[in-house]
Amino acid sequence: GAGVSQSPRYKVAKRGQDVALRCDPISGHVSLFWYQQALGQGPEFLTYFQNEAQLDKSGLPSDRFFAERPEGSVSTLKIQRTQQEDSAVYLCASSWGLTDTQYFGPGTRLTVL
Amino acid sequence: AQTVTQSQPEMSVQEAETVTLSCTYDTSESNYYLFWYKQPPSRQMILVIRQEAYKQQNATENRFSVNFQKAAKSFSLKISDSQLGDTAMYFCAFMKGATSGTYKYIFGTGTRLKVLA
Repeated sequence: GAGVSQSPRYKVAKRGQDVALRCDPISGHVSLFWYQQALGQGPEFLTYFQNEAQLDKSGLPSDRFFAERPEGSVSTLKIQRTQQEDSAVYLCASSWGLTDTQYFGPGTRLTVL
Repeated sequence: AQTVTQSQPEMSVQEAETVTLSCTYDTSESNYYLFWYKQPPSRQMILVIRQEAYKQQNATENRFSVNFQKAAKSFSLKISDSQLGDTAMYFCAFMKGATSGTYKYIFGTGTRLKVLA
């Protein structure tokens, strides 16, 4: 594809619901990142994949957050039992290599009521 | 732990003028990368410029240039001939070298730049 795409663009969840956020990276990109961006703040690193391997998940805020990239392409970020503090924009970015230019998707805005 | 500080929450500049956005960082690493990303209103984040710490020469991309002061741990962005399309949030970011065993990008809190007509 032409760029990184994310779906859904907007998600409203009731507290306690599970949500799944999808990221389609640029074809062939090895590296994939997930970030959480609160309103008016910079992106906060959540996790990193190199192909299908999750090499760093140190930024995941709790064990309710889970990410996968089973075939080294599409990735899903899952949040279980959502809480109000999970409300944020979730950004996905992909790149050829770890320190190469990251191409960001438009983000998924999650609102937990 | 690494930190990235952007001390200017908001700035404005007249069209065609020059503006400098500041960024300081803290690290004990010698090998790392620094980036400036731009996030226009309601649009996707894009890379403006990058700098490898081992390179002494400051990076330049058209109207955008950096002043990289490694000893002072400073990485400022200069925008020359500002254009209305430069209006955006600008984020400074830091990444350790690929051999560090960590993969975490650290972003600053951003500077909101408004270019005035």
